[in-house]
Amino acid sequence: GQQVMQIPQYQHVQEGEDFTTYCNSSTTLSNIQWYKQRPGGHPVFLIQLVKSGEVKKQKRLTFQFGEAKKNSSLHITATQTTDVGTYFCAGPYSGGYQKVTFGTGTKLQVIP
Amino acid sequence: DAGITQSPRYKITETGRQVTLMCHQTWSHSYMFWYRQDLGHGLRLIYYSAAADITDKGEVPDGYVVSRSKTENFPLTLESATRSQTSVYFCASTSSSNTEAFFGQGTRLTVV
Repeated sequence: GQQVMQIPQYQHVQEGEDFTTYCNSSTTLSNIQWYKQRPGGHPVFLIQLVKSGEVKKQKRLTFQFGEAKKNSSLHITATQTTDVGTYFCAGPYSGGYQKVTFGTGTKLQVIP
Repeated sequence: DAGITQSPRYKITETGRQVTLMCHQTWSHSYMFWYRQDLGHGLRLIYYSAAADITDKGEVPDGYVVSRSKTENFPLTLESATRSQTSVYFCASTSSSNTEAFFGQGTRLTVV
């Protein structure tokens, strides 16, 4: 079945350092979404990428969708303590546009 | 602006008991989903529904039952709870035109 893997599973960074999480799918994706879950909270939608090679920015966050549409990355520049949480990528199930498979997530801890 | 609400937020039940987790959304979204979140597994899809009276299995449906008699409600029932069903359960919804998922606050279920 379709699998979406993320690396790393955990990341500790010093405040001000950059952070990147990578998402890899076993199949080509029509789109990819990114979510953030704060500790004790629920996942919150951040962004969706649709086009091959697409790059989108949200302030300090940069999202990329690979040329082959099988991988994606989220890069945070100069992390802040407010960036703490788990970041998930999600891709649609094969043949089911509204259903998404979530990646395993990357838990980010920022040390002040 | 209630959005999507889950109840109860916390539940402790005994092995073998039936328990129902409730999910209610006020947006009239067509699609609703149930996920479970366990450490190391990310979010796994249990069941989803494309509309009232239309439901289908996700990745881990065994031991769970769902129904959707009304668009706004999507209850999840554990017919005979087992310890392996101890988890955090999230309900989510999306519109038919957008794959952005909106999540409820989650229900932390402990089966003893």
